[in-house]
Amino acid sequence: AQSVTQLGSHVSVSEGALVLLRCNYSSSVPPYLFWYVQYPNQGLQLLLKYTSAATLVKGINGFEAEFKKSETSFHLTKPSAHMSDAAEYFCAVSGSSQAGTALIFGKGTTLSVSS
Amino acid sequence: EAGVTQSPTHLIKTRGQQATLRCSPISGHTSVYWYQQALGLGLQFLLWYDEGEERNRGNFPPRFSGRQFPNYSSELNVNALELEDSALYLCASSLGSDRVYGYTFGSGTRLTVV
Repeated sequence: AQSVTQLGSHVSVSEGALVLLRCNYSSSVPPYLFWYVQYPNQGLQLLLKYTSAATLVKGINGFEAEFKKSETSFHLTKPSAHMSDAAEYFCAVSGSSQAGTALIFGKGTTLSVSS
Repeated sequence: EAGVTQSPTHLIKTRGQQATLRCSPISGHTSVYWYQQALGLGLQFLLWYDEGEERNRGNFPPRFSGRQFPNYSSELNVNALELEDSALYLCASSLGSDRVYGYTFGSGTRLTVV
């Protein structure tokens, strides 16, 4: 079965510091992986996705993630945090190679950014 | 282009009542997914509709049901409401295979059961 583990339910950084949000996955098929962001009282917005092309994926708002098969990881990074990055971040994996089995989400990591 | 729209934004119901939540997908998207986001539990998959048919459901009791209309909009019904049904219910739509495209989410319906 597919699963996603996000290490750290809460990450705090200073403005301008590196952001690193960790995601490890388990999948019996080559995974497709996603990062979403959720701002307060809003739905989820797609940040970036990995669909078996380049292992380093660039997304919106300066975020990127690197797929590492040997480590079964898909960590999200941003070189310099902004106050506006404060939100909850979710990593997700496609359920299987069968369409529509629904994305499986991690429990989320709340990012706090201090000035 | 209009995004995924959900209504109502907030809904307060009494235990035992029924709740109906609505979702309109992005134009051209035929798949609609429903998720429950309860405090501390992350997103739990509820239902997937495509071309008017229920294609898959998550590990939820039968009192969670829904349908998809010919215009691809969808409705989620929760019968015999329980206090633990209080959550943010998110609807998402997809152009095709969720595996390839991922989802576009609506802003959700906050259901409170008292």
